[in-house]
Parts: sequence; structure tokens; C-alpha cells
Amino acid sequence: EAQVTQNPRYLITVTGKKLTVTCSQNMNHEYMSWYRQDPGLGLRQIYYSMNVEVTDKGDVPEGYKVSRKEKRNFPLILESPSPNQTSLYFCASSSGTGEVTYEQYFGPGTRLTVT
Amino acid sequence: LAKTTQPISMDSYEGQEVNITCSHNNIATNDYITWYQQFPSQGPRFIIQGYKTKVTNEVASLFIPADRKSSTLSLPRVSLSDTAVYYCLVGDQYSGAGSYQLTFGKGTKLSVIP
Repeated sequence: EAQVTQNPRYLITVTGKKLTVTCSQNMNHEYMSWYRQDPGLGLRQIYYSMNVEVTDKGDVPEGYKVSRKEKRNFPLILESPSPNQTSLYFCASSSGTGEVTYEQYFGPGTRLTVT
Repeated sequence: LAKTTQPISMDSYEGQEVNITCSHNNIATNDYITWYQQFPSQGPRFIIQGYKTKVTNEVASLFIPADRKSSTLSLPRVSLSDTAVYYCLVGDQYSGAGSYQLTFGKGTKLSVIP
């Protein structure tokens, strides 16, 4: 089954404790992206990657890191989480680049709480 | 970067046609317009995408006028299960490097009433 998986689905952590949220897709997609969703603010892009070893900042990259060492994986790293990073996080992937298509497939989400 | 503006919310009765309009005044020549649907606590799901004029699939229609500064998502005969948030998305070209930063707006919350 074609899908985007995220782990963990739920995470409660404390300020300053480094964490990684994994994202994996089995569709051989070139494009991957991370979003956060907060009430009243909609979906905001954190980072995206057009291909292996190519990443770029989205609208809200501060406090986050990403890496794209393999096509299928795109982990999101919070080196020193803070309470304002409490949010619902979505990973997405897409086959198209350029103007061909923007049909993104989203993962189930990771609900992160930082205390 | 092209930004989008949509109504915050809309109500509709079951069985009616619903039209949600999105404004994107700064759309670039190569940008496509894409709509997504999101249910609570789920990731968004692709509905439809278009560049100009009209696109139709089994779920919805997308109308784009000649100037492309707006677009309208049309959902025929909505049911209770269509209650969701609908996002209009316009692809941005970034610095000509071939990379694309995609921006979601705040979406339109559609409530379908029995």
C-alpha cells in the first residue's frame, strides 16, 4: 500500500530534550515536506526537500533541522524543543517537481507536546 | 510568494452545490492551483488541481478565470461527510533554482447541515 508513515504518532517531552520525528514514504517520491498545524494558523511549511541531499526552508524553519540522506526518509529534528513547538506535525511527499503536479500525500500526523 | 485568501467558514445544507472561492492576486505564470480537503486530526487529501479554465473530476470542479487571480472549487450535492476544511494552494517558484515552496492558506471550514 502506497503511504507516508510517521513515528511517533504522539510524543510528550520536556524543554531542551532533543527529539526526532521520522517520516518515510514507499512511493519513490522526489519531493518531501514537513508542516506544522496550529489552531487558527492553518498549515505552515517548515522545510522541504526536492531530492536527496537537497533541502530548503519553508515559512517557519526556526528551531528545526532536517536531512535527506535517502529518497524515502525525511526526518524532522528538534535539537532543543521549546513549548512553542507544541503542535501537530505532518510529513508529505509528492512525485512531481516543477509545475507538473502538487498532489501531495500526507502522513497521519504526529502530535507533539513540549512541557 | 503568492498568497491565498479564502473565506474562513461556510455553511451549506445537504444536497446543495457549494462554491468556495480563493483569491491569489500574485499568482505566477508557472503556478498551478491545487485544492485539498482535511478532516480533523488527519492529513490533508488532494482534491483537484488546475492551471486555467475548468477542470472536473469525480469529486469536484475547479473554475479558473482567464486572469487566474482567483479560483473556485465547486462541490456538487454535498453530504454530511463533506464537512471539512478546504485549502487552496498555489505553487511558488523560488529564486529560479527549480525549488518550490508551497504555501497553504488558513483554509475554509465547510459545515454541511442536515
